[in-house]
Amino acid sequence: QLVLTQSPSASASLGASVKLTCTLSSGHSSDAIAWHQQQPEKGPRYLMKLNSDGSHSKGDGIPDRFSGSRSGAERYLTISSLQSEDEADYYCQTWGTGIHVVFGGGTKLTVL
Amino acid sequence: EVQLVESGGGLVQPGGSLRLSCAASGFTFSNYAMSWVRQAPGEGLEWVSAVSGSGHSTYFADSVKGRFTISRDNSKNTLYLQMNSLRAEDTAVYYCAKEGYYDSQVDYWGQGTLVTVSS
Repeated sequence: QLVLTQSPSASASLGASVKLTCTLSSGHSSDAIAWHQQQPEKGPRYLMKLNSDGSHSKGDGIPDRFSGSRSGAERYLTISSLQSEDEADYYCQTWGTGIHVVFGGGTKLTVL
Repeated sequence: EVQLVESGGGLVQPGGSLRLSCAASGFTFSNYAMSWVRQAPGEGLEWVSAVSGSGHSTYFADSVKGRFTISRDNSKNTLYLQMNSLRAEDTAVYYCAKEGYYDSQVDYWGQGTLVTVSS
């Protein structure tokens, strides 16, 4: 079964960097994913697609501070030079035959 | 500029029906699959349903299968979600979402419409 696992929360200081993790379930370690951001009281926003080769393609207007990478079944979203507006929920998303689309449970990022 | 504008949300009694619409612009609507994604209060994102660009193929989450139908009118650039036999647990903000050209990553989101199922 295709499942994405995310830590419920993370925190980092203003100006620092943070690396959020999304883990693909067994048998799906080569799958591509997407990252989405949801700021408080707002709808989600597409950040990027992270391909199976580790390359990524970003959505419109997404700053260079946001980058993606992978290692095995883990997919990462790194945010550098943290700003207050980066405090948000971050969701990973993938897709597949039969299940079509699935989201991770989300990580709530607190900027200290 | 891609725009997705949902409408049709509101308060409905358990067992009732509601139809959501999503007006799309800024891209060739018929070329892309579209999804509905919902978010219950205080919860995460849950994919609900999707339809292929032609409208011929549809997909549903188990939680709504048999109660919800999805459709699209490519001549009007509009996506629909017909929700029947609504339950309290269907209460959520419903988002319209555009999928990618080759894959089903969501690359644009609407602003959402709130559906409340309550007596």
